Formats: sequence, structure tokens, C-alpha cells
Amino acid sequence: RKEVEQDPGPFNVPEGATVAFNCTYSNSASQSFFWYRQDCRKEPKLLMSVYSSGNEDGRFTAQLNRASQYISLLIRDSKLSDSATYLCADSSGYSTLTFGKGTMLLVSP
Amino acid sequence: DAGVIQSPRHEVTEMGQEVTLRCKPISGHDYLFWYRQTMMRGLELLIYFNNNVPIDDSGMPEDRFSAKMPNASFSTLKIQPSEPRDSAVYFCASSLVGGPYEQYFGPGTRLTVT
Repeated sequence: RKEVEQDPGPFNVPEGATVAFNCTYSNSASQSFFWYRQDCRKEPKLLMSVYSSGNEDGRFTAQLNRASQYISLLIRDSKLSDSATYLCADSSGYSTLTFGKGTMLLVSP
Repeated sequence: DAGVIQSPRHEVTEMGQEVTLRCKPISGHDYLFWYRQTMMRGLELLIYFNNNVPIDDSGMPEDRFSAKMPNASFSTLKIQPSEPRDSAVYFCASSLVGGPYEQYFGPGTRLTVT
């Protein structure tokens, strides 16, 4: 069974801190990876896509390590509004995604 | 642009009743996915369609669950009869065929079966 594993957290960090989450995947054939953000009682929203070694978008950086089969999400200068659950997913199936259960981030003043 | 639309947003029903959840995918998207999310099991894929055709329903928990997609802009997920263990948030998502598999989710239907 192809799985995606995440540390559920919560990660408690102060505003302005840098925080990183890892996500491991079991399917070595996976080519595409995604980070989604999910606020409480809301739907998952696409945050970043990762197709090669990594991707950067403002304060957010995603990196892929194929040798160790994990992807990471780095958030710099954390904001209160970054508090959410972060889900990673890989395209382990044809046109389908396998999701991890998410990592909760709490940013405090 | 309109995103994925789901209705109802909340549904409370009694055990044994039929429940129908509805989804309108993003216009032009050829793939439609139904997921269920619970605290214990996370986000689980139930079934997905390509060009209105069901491709894989291996995630459907049992025969009480059925899904249809009569046209490119509408899909239903039906539970009959419903049970308390079906209580969860049900999400619909869509994506482009041949694309990078990025899926876009609707707001979900929060189902409570008493």
C-alpha cells in the first residue's frame, strides 16, 4: 500500500520564526508532489506544487529529496495567519493523489 | 472564476435515511474526485471520474455508497441507508486531464448521521 506519512504536530512557533515540516512517501515512482493548506472546518487549498528538486514562493520553500523519499516545507518569518494544517500529497496513482494526514502549525504572538 | 461547488454544506440526518451530496466541478476540468475526511483516517479517496466515466471506485466503503456523473458539470454521491459511522466531511475535487494532477477542492459537505 502506497503511503504518505506526516508528523501530526502540533508545531508551536512564535511569530517570525522559521519552521519546517517533512513528509515521507513510499512510492519511489512518484513524480509530482503537492502541499495543501487546510484551515479549520475548510477545504484543502493548494499551496505549492513540487515537480523536480524544489519550489519557492515568497516565504514558502518546498524541497524534494528523492534519495530519502521525502519532501519538506519551510516557512520563513511565520505569521499568525499561517496557523493551519498542512497536508502533503503525492501523485502515486494515475491522475490520483495520496494524502498524508497533515501537520498542524500554530503560530503564536 | 467559480471554483468547485458542493451542496448542501451541512446535512444532519437520522440513521437509515438516504443522503445525496452534490458537486459541480470547475468548468473544463475532466477529472472529478470524491473524498471523505475524518480525524482518524484523514482524507480518503472514495471514487473518481474521467470524462464522466467512473475509473476507480475501490475506495467506496460498501454497497451503501454510490456515485454518478450524468454530465460534465454535475456529480452525486449517495448513501443509502446512512449510518452514524458515515459522519464525516465529504469533499469533491476536480482537475484537468493531462495536467500536473493539481486538484482543487470544493468547500465540502459536513454530514452528521444520528
